[in-house]
Amino acid sequence: TQLLEQSPQFLSIQEGENLTVYCNSSSVFSSLQWYRQEPGEGPVLLVTVVTGGEVKKLKRLTFQFGDARKDSSLHITAAQPGDTGLYLCAGGRGAGNMLTFGGGTRLMVKP
Amino acid sequence: ETGVTQSPTHLIKTRGQQVTLRCSSQSGHNTVSWYQQALGQGPQFIFQYYREEENGRGNFPPRFSGLQFPNYSSELNVNALELDDSALYLCASSRPGLAPGEQYFGPGTRLTVT
Repeated sequence: TQLLEQSPQFLSIQEGENLTVYCNSSSVFSSLQWYRQEPGEGPVLLVTVVTGGEVKKLKRLTFQFGDARKDSSLHITAAQPGDTGLYLCAGGRGAGNMLTFGGGTRLMVKP
Repeated sequence: ETGVTQSPTHLIKTRGQQVTLRCSSQSGHNTVSWYQQALGQGPQFIFQYYREEENGRGNFPPRFSGLQFPNYSSELNVNALELDDSALYLCASSRPGLAPGEQYFGPGTRLTVT
């Protein structure tokens, strides 16, 4: 059972468009990470958010942690073909680093 | 932070066999976690080791076991392989001082069970 639900599962857009990916849960997490994964490779950490309501920006990517620390969003402005990949959110609980992952959003940006 | 390596890259085994996967993390990364990622899904937590002791376990049977060594390397062992064990196996390491939950993944080992 996935405790973290990501939406949409698939997204195909044209270069230059904006998009938002959502990560929702009924559980509270002490931290939330977003990763990007290329085929045949391990996930690469993009950002960690730990405070409810926190917003972080990484170039054209904006990450937000919900006030109640149950949900998060990733917004990409002016998407580029290099943004293509699988985007995964993962929530951490407690003192350990045991992460619960969402099912992922597969993004394709067409030139 | 990078530097997490895994071996082998790919592996093909037969149902019923045993397999050992290896992971090497950076110096100082005293926590290692293993995840199983089936095709088209997000990674699922298998277990975590901290200072060579198992520190937490996901919903995986006892035939999945692990070891962590003082030199920051670790192993994932799977006995009595089943077809459903075919997946990408990922290890991730972390160290004191990182943000809660923050960890760095290796490239994974692709296991195929026939």
